[in-house]
Amino acid sequence: KNEVEQSPQNLTAQEGEFITINCSYSVGISALHWLQQHPGGGIVSLFMLSSGKKKHGRLIATINIQEKHSSLHITASHPRDSAVYICAVNKGGSEKLVFGKGTKLTVNP
Amino acid sequence: DTAVSQTPKYLVTQMGNDKSIKCEQNLGHDTMYWYKQDSKKFLKIMFSYNNKELIINETVPNRFSPKSPDKAHLNLHINSLELGDSAVYFCASSQAVGRIEETQYFGPGTRLLVL
Repeated sequence: KNEVEQSPQNLTAQEGEFITINCSYSVGISALHWLQQHPGGGIVSLFMLSSGKKKHGRLIATINIQEKHSSLHITASHPRDSAVYICAVNKGGSEKLVFGKGTKLTVNP
Repeated sequence: DTAVSQTPKYLVTQMGNDKSIKCEQNLGHDTMYWYKQDSKKFLKIMFSYNNKELIINETVPNRFSPKSPDKAHLNLHINSLELGDSAVYFCASSQAVGRIEETQYFGPGTRLLVL
């Protein structure tokens, strides 16, 4: 079993819908990252968080350290949000990132 | 200005050949990484260098040899290429001060196809 699990694997939504992507991990971590991989392949870091909640525009990331769970929310989704969203954790205070398998999001107009 | 750049973007080569991928970052970061993304889009760390010193070396065949001539560059040399080496290779960098985890900035990827 992967140390970082994401759900769902694939998600299709209509424009304007509220999106939630979940990430659970089974190891001790010092930080959790949400990354976005565009259809063209480029990877962009969206958030890094170790507690609580962060917001950037229409994106919100939350983490519950006790439950070893994080969520990425997208409000008022738009077709340009279509991408693969990847959860990754810094395992045990290391710079090393361990990745989930990604959630492919498709937002239809 | 490109923050993390990789060359080449595409690389098609024959089995058995030796090839190199170059990575440069102009962010002034101390730490650089190589990741491999397989055909199932799963990312996995290969190597990490901090100030030209190797700090992470995952279970990677020793046909793969990273080289960091200075802290702005981390190159990946691959000997005797095999079909299974076909993947997208991403370089990344971060300003990892001490043990503080930092946001990583990714290059555009190098798509390697071994025939």
